[in-house]
Amino acid sequence: QKEVEQNSGPLSVPEGAIASLNCTYSDRGSQSFFWYRQYSGKSPELIMFIYSNGDKEDGRFTAQLNKASQYVSLLIRDSQPSDSATYLCAVNNRGNFNKFYFGSGTKLNVKP
Amino acid sequence: GAVVSQHPSWVICKSGTSVKIECRSLDFQATTMFWYRQFPKQSLMLMATSNEGSKATYEQGVEKDKFLINHASLTLSTLTVTSAHPEDSSFYICSAREPTGSNQPQHFGDGTRLSIL
Repeated sequence: QKEVEQNSGPLSVPEGAIASLNCTYSDRGSQSFFWYRQYSGKSPELIMFIYSNGDKEDGRFTAQLNKASQYVSLLIRDSQPSDSATYLCAVNNRGNFNKFYFGSGTKLNVKP
Repeated sequence: GAVVSQHPSWVICKSGTSVKIECRSLDFQATTMFWYRQFPKQSLMLMATSNEGSKATYEQGVEKDKFLINHASLTLSTLTVTSAHPEDSSFYICSAREPTGSNQPQHFGDGTRLSIL
């Protein structure tokens, strides 16, 4: 079983819609959860992180964490074609918080 | 915000050459940096954790003698791909965390695209 699981996609949404990206993790003791965006040929860039149950909003992005279900999601409101990228979910290791486990990423296509 | 600089961004060289990649934390001190490799259309693969002033910790299957890591200061880690061969061609990315607190994210450099002819 992988530490972090994501649906590889592609997830296609029309411009202006809400994109919902999901991630599950296996270690119940994980503390911090991160969402990165990676454009093709580029390195990942941090979108946001969350470590408390519930929702955290930053502009058009909302991260949702449910530790009981070991589930973290990212909602993108008013999706734009420029949001088309691969979104990586990352979880830090309980025993060594320096070490992150990355999912394989979900490819998002926002169609004009 | 935290900035990580990686250099060079692109390297093309002949088989057998050794290539050094630098990773710098520009506005914070990083006792720990990370080196990843990513093949086309595949996920990030952690190669090693670079520790300032001590030996790097390599992930299983990564050759220590092939990928030499040096973390001589709190703002600089280097990865040297020794005697590179075409199968070493990949996208190499470093990252670093700010040391304060367990919830700090990793910040990535822009990556180095290595092509071995």
